Amino acid sequence: EDKVVQSPLSLVVHEGDTVTLNCSYEVTNFRSLLWYKQEKKAPTFLFMLTSSGIEKKSGRLSSILDKKELFSILNITATQTGDSAVYLCAVEPSGTYKYIFGTGTRLKVLA
Amino acid sequence: NAGVMQNPRHLVRRRGQEARLRCSPMKGHSHVYWYRQLPEEGLKFMVYLQKENIIDESGMPKERFSAEFPKEGPSILRIQQVVRGDSAAYFCASSPWTRAISGELFFGEGSRLTVL
Repeated sequence: EDKVVQSPLSLVVHEGDTVTLNCSYEVTNFRSLLWYKQEKKAPTFLFMLTSSGIEKKSGRLSSILDKKELFSILNITATQTGDSAVYLCAVEPSGTYKYIFGTGTRLKVLA
Repeated sequence: NAGVMQNPRHLVRRRGQEARLRCSPMKGHSHVYWYRQLPEEGLKFMVYLQKENIIDESGMPKERFSAEFPKEGPSILRIQQVVRGDSAAYFCASSPWTRAISGELFFGEGSRLTVL
C-alpha cells in the first residue's frame, strides 16, 4: 500500500533556530512530491519536487528530494513565529492524481 | 482571481440528516478533488472529478457518500444519513493540470462538519 510518513510529528523551537522536516514514502511509480504549509485554513503550496538532488529554494525555505532513498527534507532557516504551522508532504503516484498525504509535522516557533 | 471557494465553512448536523458541501474551483480549473481530514490526521483522498465526470472515486465510502461536478455550478459532496464518524474537515482542491502535466493542487479553506 502506498504511504507517506513524516517526522517528527511535532517540533517546538525558538525564533532563529533552523529546522529540518522529513518525509519518507513508498509509492508505486513515483511522479512528484509536494510540500504544503497548513495554518488554520487552506494548505498553501510550497514546493514540488520531481528530480533527485535538485534543491528548490524560496527565501528561508528549501527542499530536496532523494528518489533512491525515497525521502525528502524541508529546511527552514532563521525560523520566525509566522512559520508556526503544520507542514504536509504529499506524493503523487504516476498518472493517478491521488495525492497521498502524510499526517504532517506540527511546528511551533516560540518568540 | 478568486481562490477555491467552499461553503459552508461550518456545518452542524444531527445523526441521520444530510450534509451538502459545495466547492467552486478557481477560474479556469476543470479538475476538482475532495479530501477529508480527521483530527490529527493527514488529508485522505476521496474523489477526483472533471466537469460532468467522476474520474476516480476510490477513496469515497461506497454508501451514503456521493459527489458531482455539473456542467454549470459548483461541485457538491453529499453525505446522506450522517453519523458521528463523518465529523471532519472536508477540503476541496482544484487544478488546471491535465494528466500529462504534474502540478500542485489549490486548496479551499475547508468545510468543517460536526455531527451531533
